[in-house]
Amino acid sequence: GQQLNQSPQSMFIQEGEDVSMNCTSSSIFNTWLWYKQDPGEGPVLLIALYKAGELTSNGRLTAQFGITRKDSFLNISASIPSDVGIYFCAGYWVGNQFYFGTGTSLTVIP
Amino acid sequence: SQTIHQWPATLVQPVGSPLSLECTVEGTSNPNLYWYRQAAGRGLQLLFYSVGIGQISSEVPQNLSASRPQDRQFILSSKKLLLSDSGFYLCAWRLTGPTDTQYFGPGTRLTVL
Repeated sequence: GQQLNQSPQSMFIQEGEDVSMNCTSSSIFNTWLWYKQDPGEGPVLLIALYKAGELTSNGRLTAQFGITRKDSFLNISASIPSDVGIYFCAGYWVGNQFYFGTGTSLTVIP
Repeated sequence: SQTIHQWPATLVQPVGSPLSLECTVEGTSNPNLYWYRQAAGRGLQLLFYSVGIGQISSEVPQNLSASRPQDRQFILSSKKLLLSDSGFYLCAWRLTGPTDTQYFGPGTRLTVL
């Protein structure tokens, strides 16, 4: 099935720095979702986006639904150690299937 | 509010043994349910999904099968496990409508030896 291109694959940043990651698709979506997964646990939904151009925040996290409907961005401001984990994007158009990115592994150095 | 459960949390099974993983959802009716496998290295592979009792769609032909005996219960099974069946199995349910969203369970770590 289709897989989304997510970048970067991994990031090593200092505590307090801002983080940016993005997801691109060859197809348009009408829903973009962002998840965080801690080791050994299921992904937890962070932000959901439903309109092109939409900008949504959840605490220090901000995500945007790209105007072309083929991409989405996630920013984390002032990173802290508990931000460590793998971040996934997911897109949905019609039917029953969601399509997932390959994940961005984030390491925060205290 | 809705809650999704999976058990067991961890399982170690010998090659050739049967498998049964269970997923249940609380707080919603007629959910769309999904089974994913996540191998080491992150990618989520959709295995099965179900839009209702007894309705199963398979995405990847393999050694596994799924069943939905009740509205909020989804079961992943195998008659004979292979080494390649090892992985992290995630169940998810979907909130349909104008705000389509998917929520994951805590997962089951399966090791086949």
